[in-house]
Formats: sequence, structure tokens, C-alpha cells
Amino acid sequence: AQSVTQLGSHVSVSEGALVLLRCNYSSSVPPYLFWYVQYPNQGLQLLLKYTTGATLVKGINGFEAEFKKSETSFHLTKPSAHMSDAAEYFCAVSGGNTPLVFGKGTRLSVIA
Amino acid sequence: DGGITQSPKYLFRKEGQNVTLSCEQNLNHDAMYWYRQDPGQGLRLIYYSQIVNDFQKGDIAEGYSVSREKKESFPLTVTSAQKNPTAFYLCASRDAGLAIYNEQFFGPGTRLTVL
Repeated sequence: AQSVTQLGSHVSVSEGALVLLRCNYSSSVPPYLFWYVQYPNQGLQLLLKYTTGATLVKGINGFEAEFKKSETSFHLTKPSAHMSDAAEYFCAVSGGNTPLVFGKGTRLSVIA
Repeated sequence: DGGITQSPKYLFRKEGQNVTLSCEQNLNHDAMYWYRQDPGQGLRLIYYSQIVNDFQKGDIAEGYSVSREKKESFPLTVTSAQKNPTAFYLCASRDAGLAIYNEQFFGPGTRLTVL
């Protein structure tokens, strides 16, 4: 079985500051990990995913995440926040050909 | 354009009425999913289908029903047995072929309000 814990339901950063959204997972099999972004009243859009290979994954909009097996983590970062990054972010895990299991989400606010 | 369509965007129903939410995809994906989203709860899986004419219950299937008669369609019925149906409903699909780590693609969602 898989599960995801996102630390912090709400994160607030200043424009231009580092964005760090935390995700820890639990999986009984090698995990596939995903980060999605959701803007108000919209569906989810994939930011990036880790499957196998390189543990540092680059995604869209300048985001990246690093898979750390020893820490069971997959934290999302962006060096410099932009106002347009304000949204809700979801971390998800899959054990293979199974439905994604989502964390409860982290709402990111960007302060001008 | 390939994608997932959910209709309507907003739906209002009276308590005690069944309501069906539409989900259509033209991505030729085998697998389709329904999630429910409530504030602070993340996404919770209602039902999913890996192939036509087959589907499985997710974590919160009680009070819901689905059908999968066509590859491109996966409608969700919210029945009167669902105690608290007001929520944002998201449909997703996935190419569940050889690449078992493919991501799920999401539709724009339907916001259901039961009065």
C-alpha cells in the first residue's frame, strides 16, 4: 500500500524567495512519484514525475524535485517564486499500474 | 485537441435526487478514474476502471455508481445514498499500457452542490 504526507497545508513565501514544499511517502514497492499543481476551480496539471534513473527531476515552470530513498522524501523546490506560482500543490505516489494516491495538498501563497 | 471533458462545470441538485456526472476522453486511454475533492482532504478515489466493462471500488465508493460501456466514457452517478455529496469531482485517465508509470491526466472538474 502507498501513502503520502505533505508537511504544511499552507506555505507563504515572498516573491523571489525559495519555494520548498515537502512530501514524504510510504510504499511497499518501488514508488513512482508525482507533483501536480491545481489552480482554483480547475483540474490538476502535472509538474514533474520520478519513475527510475536520475533522482533530481526537472519539471515545468522552473520547478524541480529530488527523490531521496533513504529519507522517503520527494520535496518540490523552485529557486525564485513568482506571483503566478500561487496555487495548490499535490504530491502523489503509485506502486505501478495502480491509481495514484494523493497527499492532502499544500496551498502556496506568494507575497509581493 | 486531445483531452478530458467533464460536464457540466457547475451542477445543482436537490437533496434526495440522483445525479450523473459526465466524463469523456479522446486520448485513447484504457484506464479512467473518479476522485472527490473536499477542502483540506486532498483527492480521494471513488471508482476506477482499467478496461471497458470492468471497474473497481476506490476508497469512498459508498453512495456512488459507475459504468464503463465505452472506452472513452466513464460516467459517475451520485445517488441519494451518498450522505454528503457536495464536493468537487475530478475525472482522470491514464495510458495503462507497457509504461506502468505513466501519469494520470485530469479533466477540469465538476462542482456539485446539493441544496
